[in-house]
Amino acid sequence: NAGVIQTPRHKVTGKGQEATLWCEPISGHSAVFWYRQTIVQGLEFLTYFRNQAPIDDSGMPKERFSAQMPNQSHSTLKIQSTQPQDSAVYLCASSLEREENYAEQFFGPGTRLTVL
Amino acid sequence: AQKVTQTQTSISVMEKTTVTMDCVYETQDSSYFLFWYKQTASGEIVFLIRQDSYKKENATVGHYSLNFQKPKSSIGLIITATQIEDSAVYFCAMSRASSGSWQLIFGSGTQLTVMP
Repeated sequence: NAGVIQTPRHKVTGKGQEATLWCEPISGHSAVFWYRQTIVQGLEFLTYFRNQAPIDDSGMPKERFSAQMPNQSHSTLKIQSTQPQDSAVYLCASSLEREENYAEQFFGPGTRLTVL
Repeated sequence: AQKVTQTQTSISVMEKTTVTMDCVYETQDSSYFLFWYKQTASGEIVFLIRQDSYKKENATVGHYSLNFQKPKSSIGLIITATQIEDSAVYFCAMSRASSGSWQLIFGSGTQLTVMP
């Protein structure tokens, strides 16, 4: 039973370049979440989708960050014009969530983004 | 606003003993969910146990149990018969039910070291 898959595991970009991070949720899970982890800020929520629809993007930086879920088997997080402060581990999680009933989130291994 | 606080930065215990990690939370919601996750040295984040706010019984899973004190907004994690492999960073997290957004709000984590 495969867990959440994230690719790439490591990504190094130059300042100003674009980075696209991929997430494949656990099969059958209806919700996908993106978080960011840094030493200074800890684990921060970015955005999430339920049944592919965007539900809450309150944690997303307003500029340069965007997320999509074009089908139930993958989601992408895109960062345009990356800056050194975007360096972090980006984590994807999925759950069997239903709107009326909460379910635990299961995390992928993360993508470590380093912006030089 | 919701907030989760873990004041213990690090704890060291001897193998086979019992350890308690503290967590307090702030919320205006009447219904919410509390979680403990573990992050291993490899970076993997693993779900351990959850407590639903409307349940009076403390949750127990394997050698993990919770000490839920709702009047004190406290949810402690108890690990009995600790093992070397329990060494990790433990995160307390909360999700709220009122807004329709099931994002997790994390504490800053407690580093547990289990010594032989």
